[in-house]
This record gives sequence, C-alpha cells and structure tokens, in this order.
Amino acid sequence: QVQLQESGPGLVKPSQTLILTCTVSGGSINSGSYYWTWIRQPAGKGLEWIGRMYTSGSTNYNPSLKSRVTISVNTSTNKFFLKMSSVTAADTAVYYCARSRGYNTAVDFEYWGQGILVTVSS
Amino acid sequence: QSVLTQPPSASGTPGQRVTIPCSGSSSNIGTNYVYWYQQLPGTPPKLLIYKNDQRPSGVPDRFSGSKSGTSASLAISGLRSEDEADYYCAAWDDTLSGHVVFGGGTKLTVL
Repeated sequence: QVQLQESGPGLVKPSQTLILTCTVSGGSINSGSYYWTWIRQPAGKGLEWIGRMYTSGSTNYNPSLKSRVTISVNTSTNKFFLKMSSVTAADTAVYYCARSRGYNTAVDFEYWGQGILVTVSS
Repeated sequence: QSVLTQPPSASGTPGQRVTIPCSGSSSNIGTNYVYWYQQLPGTPPKLLIYKNDQRPSGVPDRFSGSKSGTSASLAISGLRSEDEADYYCAAWDDTLSGHVVFGGGTKLTVL
C-alpha cells in the first residue's frame, strides 16, 4: 500500500521560497507509470492543482503558477519536492502530495498525503 | 473562479437520490475524462469516480457518474448521513500545454 507524507515549514515569510517534501513509502517512486503531484487548498476553499512530475522526470505545471514553481525528485530517498518562490499571503493553504496513474490526461489521484498547512506571514 | 462550474451547495434527505452537476468546456470535459472526489472535513479528498463513470474498489455502487458533451454529473442514491461532505469534479484541460482543472466544490448536506 502506497503512502505519502508531506513535510516542511509551517510558516514562511512573504517573498521567501517555500520547499515542501513528499516522502513515498510502500513503493518505489521511479518504478511503474505514475504522476507525482502537488495540489493545494486554501482554508474553506476549493482544490488547486499545482503541478506534476512523471516517473521519467518530465513535468507539467499550472499555467498560473508556472513561473514560481518547480517539482523535482530524489529517487535515492524516494522523495519528491515542491519549490515555490516569491510566496505571498495568497499561497497560504494546505498542501497535498498525491499520485495518479501515468496516462497523460490522468486526474485519478488514488493516493494522497494527509496534507500540510503552510502559512505565509511575516 | 473555477474552470469547472459546480453549484456551491446541494441537499437531500436520507434515502433520497441527489445529483451534483459539473459544467465545463470543449477543452476539458468535452474531450477528456471526468473525475469526482469526496472530501470529509479535515481529510484529503477521496477518489470517488474516475474516467466518467468508473468506481474504484471499495466505493459503494450508490455513487455513479455520467458525462454528456461538456457537462457531467455525480449521482448519489440511497443518501446516507455519512455522505455529507464536499464533492469536487475534475478534468484534464488541453489548453496552455495541458493542466488539471477542478470545480469549485459542492457542499452536500443531508437533512
């Protein structure tokens, strides 16, 4: 059973760079055909897709966040990462990592982390 | 403003059948699969329906999905109190190199 767990700072200052880690257990991050994904949800609001990385390393990003976001992976530690630069209060949200199957239009996130609340404030 | 449009709220009584609509466009629902998620308070979303009308293992057959043109809907029959949750539709959108879009979510209340 695949499990995902987010970790990182709970508080980030405006204009700084946020780095979150998703640790994958129960399966190798570089085996099979999957997209490793970041999604966020501001308090009381809906879901926003941030971006994804395919098993091979290729990435896709939300057009509205693309200039500030990078998703990367460390296969030796079975972790993938979200890096978001120049954060503002609007980036305050619960951040989830998730896995979908590996076909291009896949939106079937079967596995999710529990989420991590990130607050952007000085 | 979400790319996919859902009503903010819906309600029903126990045992009733309710439907939640999701409206999109030719670049998302019109050409790609629709997915549905259920989110209980304080928990991550749970995949309820994939590829328009498929249920993952463990999802009761009270939940069903359908799609027609650029719209989709989630139906819940035999409504139960534990179905009270937020429901989100989602799809791949082919514009701007492709990306995932979600509906704004529908809060389902079981009266």
